[in-house]
Amino acid sequence: QQQVKQSPQSLIVQKGGISIINCAYENTAFDYFPWYQQFPGKGPALLIAIRPDVSEKKEGRFTISFNKSAKQFSLHIMDSQPGDSATYFCAASSSGTSYGKLTFGQGTILTVHP
Amino acid sequence: NAGVTQTPKFQVLKTGQSMTLQCAQDMNHEYMSWYRQDPGMGLRLIHYSVGAGITDQGEVPNGYNVSRSTTEDFPLRLLSAAPSQTSVYFCASLSVAGGPYEQYFGPGTRLTVT
Repeated sequence: QQQVKQSPQSLIVQKGGISIINCAYENTAFDYFPWYQQFPGKGPALLIAIRPDVSEKKEGRFTISFNKSAKQFSLHIMDSQPGDSATYFCAASSSGTSYGKLTFGQGTILTVHP
Repeated sequence: NAGVTQTPKFQVLKTGQSMTLQCAQDMNHEYMSWYRQDPGMGLRLIHYSVGAGITDQGEVPNGYNVSRSTTEDFPLRLLSAAPSQTSVYFCASLSVAGGPYEQYFGPGTRLTVT
């Protein structure tokens, strides 16, 4: 079963707008929540990550919001740019020897129109 | 540093053939993983290793074999290829020495089984 559910599947945003992608997880043992960005023909690359001891983390135009009680987290991309057009994956893992065992969401294809 | 390298980039196999997907990393990372990426399903973990001589199964291990004799290399073997194994395969590596626990992904191998 899919332990991390991601929505929407695709998203179209105008340049300068806000892109929001949501994820929900089931396994309460997860304590590390990264977001990955993937361009066509490339491997995923880490964008930003959060642990459940904070409710928000911001890096430049990218912000993760985390709601531990609801078991949900989201990625906000402010001032979206055409260069942000890519596929975004949320993921989750547990600490210790399970750090590398990422469970991924289904992915969101983001298109930013100029 | 070359990071994570994968060979080949593309491969076409006939049903029943066997092959090995190569993965190497030059970052002295302890952890290495193999994922497969299929449309609408995100990335799914196939096999995992926390060090030389130690491997573990992921979410979708059937039909695949791994071994890890060195820190640098983590080959994935397809024992008897099936059309259901048509996918893009990504290898990743991770260091857990002090964080931030970023997994580095290779460029991928696109496999088609006919």
